[in-house]
Amino acid sequence: GQQLNQSPQSMFIQEGEDVSMNCTSSSIFNTWLWYKQDPGEGPVLLIALYKAGELTSNGRLTAQFGITRKDSFLNISASIPSDVGIYFCAGQKGANAGKSTFGDGTTLTVKP
Amino acid sequence: NAGVTQTPKFQVRKTGQSMTLQCAQDMNHNSMYWYRQDPGMGLRLIYYSASEGTTDKGEVPNGYNVSRLNKREFSLRLESAAPSQTSVYFCASRSLAGGPLTNNEQFFGPGTRLTVL
Repeated sequence: GQQLNQSPQSMFIQEGEDVSMNCTSSSIFNTWLWYKQDPGEGPVLLIALYKAGELTSNGRLTAQFGITRKDSFLNISASIPSDVGIYFCAGQKGANAGKSTFGDGTTLTVKP
Repeated sequence: NAGVTQTPKFQVRKTGQSMTLQCAQDMNHNSMYWYRQDPGMGLRLIYYSASEGTTDKGEVPNGYNVSRLNKREFSLRLESAAPSQTSVYFCASRSLAGGPLTNNEQFFGPGTRLTVL
């Protein structure tokens, strides 16, 4: 089936540092989504991207929809301890498909 | 609004026993989904229901059945649980408002942690 390769698998950073993670696929997606999952909870949507080349921000988070439609990037600036969690990318095919294919996640640890 | 609720939160079953996971949403959403999440992995779609009265297989449907009881409720059933089905199960719902810039946000429940011995 479809597969999203998300990297890095885990990150250990100091508070205040910037973070970058990415997601790549061998197939094209029409929508890219970035979620955050806190321990013991379900994922929560952070950013949704709908157009190739689109750059969207949500506070300290910025995500980009790759030009090839096969990749996406998420950056977190000036990390804080509450940024700790697992970040997932997800891709969707079609405007109203609704079905998401998820990456395996990037586990972020922020040291105060 | 409670959003998406799931019951039970935890469950332990023996191999071969049956189990039904319940999910309900109070956001008047059309689409509902069941995912499983295994350690170190992302979510994999088991079944989904694009609208009331319809269900379709996702990526990993084997060993599961679903029922879209009404617009609010979408249950997942394991007829004969196997250790390979030990996982965390998430239910999600989505508005599916339509249009080229459809809001693709899925709202997730808190999960059900199932252990099959």
